[in-house]
Amino acid sequence: GQQLNQSPQSMFIQEGEDVSMNCTSSSIFNTWLWYKQDPGEGPVLLIALYKAGELTSNGRLTAQFGITRKDSFLNISASIPSDVGIYFCAGQGGSEKLVFGKGTKLTVNP
Amino acid sequence: DVKVTQSSRYLVKRTGEKVFLECVQDMDHENMFWYRQDPGLGLRLIYFSYDVKMKEKGDIPEGYSVSREKKERFSLILESASTNQTSMYLCASRGLSSYNEQFFGPGTRLTVL
Repeated sequence: GQQLNQSPQSMFIQEGEDVSMNCTSSSIFNTWLWYKQDPGEGPVLLIALYKAGELTSNGRLTAQFGITRKDSFLNISASIPSDVGIYFCAGQGGSEKLVFGKGTKLTVNP
Repeated sequence: DVKVTQSSRYLVKRTGEKVFLECVQDMDHENMFWYRQDPGLGLRLIYFSYDVKMKEKGDIPEGYSVSREKKERFSLILESASTNQTSMYLCASRGLSSYNEQFFGPGTRLTVL
């Protein structure tokens, strides 16, 4: 099946730093979603984006739906240790199915 | 809050056993999904269900079947478990009124010996 290109694969940062990750696709999507997964748990929805160009915030998290509808990015500002985890992007086109990125593993050093 | 629960967090089975993984959601969602998650391969869709008694194959349905007799419950069945089905299994649900957001359960870590 189709997958999104998500980068970077992993990041090692210091507490307090800002983080940026992105996803790109060869296909157009109508919705972009960002999830976070803690070890041994299921993904938790962080932000949902529905319109091209849309910029949405959730606390220290900000995500944007690319104007071409083929990409999205997620920023985390002033990272804290509990931000550790794997962040997934997901896109939805014309069906009920989501297409997922392979995830960005974030490590935050205190 | 949407709640998706899975019957077991950890499961150990033997090769050849029949395995049932249960998923229940409490938000009256129409759509339900089963994924498996493996390192380096990401999330892969096994089966999904539009509504009660309806099912569609995902990207990797081989070796699996599903059952959706009630709206809130979606079961994944491994007819004869094999070691290559050792994985993390994730269930998700989506309501038609919740745009395209899927909500995930906590996952079942299945080990087949």
